[in-house]
Amino acid sequence: AQKVTQAQTEISVVEKEDVTLDCVYETRDTTYYLFWYKQPPSGELVFLIRRNSFDEQNEISGRYSWNFQKSTSSFNFTITASQVVDSAVYFCALSEAGGTYKYIFGTGTRLKVLA
Amino acid sequence: NAGVTQTPKFRVLKTGQSMTLLCAQDMNHEYMYWYRQDPGMGLRLIHYSVGEGTTAKGEVPDGYNVSRLKKQNFLLGLESAAPSQTSVYFCASKNRDTALSYEQYFGPGTRLTVT
Repeated sequence: AQKVTQAQTEISVVEKEDVTLDCVYETRDTTYYLFWYKQPPSGELVFLIRRNSFDEQNEISGRYSWNFQKSTSSFNFTITASQVVDSAVYFCALSEAGGTYKYIFGTGTRLKVLA
Repeated sequence: NAGVTQTPKFRVLKTGQSMTLLCAQDMNHEYMYWYRQDPGMGLRLIHYSVGEGTTAKGEVPDGYNVSRLKKQNFLLGLESAAPSQTSVYFCASKNRDTALSYEQYFGPGTRLTVT
């Protein structure tokens, strides 16, 4: 069975601190996709990144970076020099390859960045 | 392009009442999904569709029905609303062709309260 665990329910940091959000997944599939979404206080879901299981390259986009490690089944998300606008709930999701592409979501991590 | 739209944005129902939530997408996507979001539980899949005229159950289908009579629309029905169905409902769609995109595109959500 597929499962996504985000063990950190809530994290508070002071502005300009770096913060890492953890995501651990379980799947029997050899090909799968991992995603991160941001849900700001306004409520919409904003797509951040997708990673394929066969591509373990880490990715950096501005202050955001992602560390994908198949050996530990983890797909962690780091925000460097956090800002108040980063305050949101962040969801990690897993999708099977082929078929229905259904998402299995983690329970989310609420990040509060304090000024 | 409007992307994925959901109607209504907010609704309050009394126990036992029925209603239909409408999801519409203008991206010609084959796959569509309904999720519910509850505090501390992330998003969970209710029903999904891989094409016009087809529907299937997700993780939490009880108490809901769906229909996909037109490719662009995916309707979620509550025949007899219960307080346990108080939630935020998200619709999403996805292109079948992964060469175009892997991620699901989400609507803005519908906040439903059942009293």
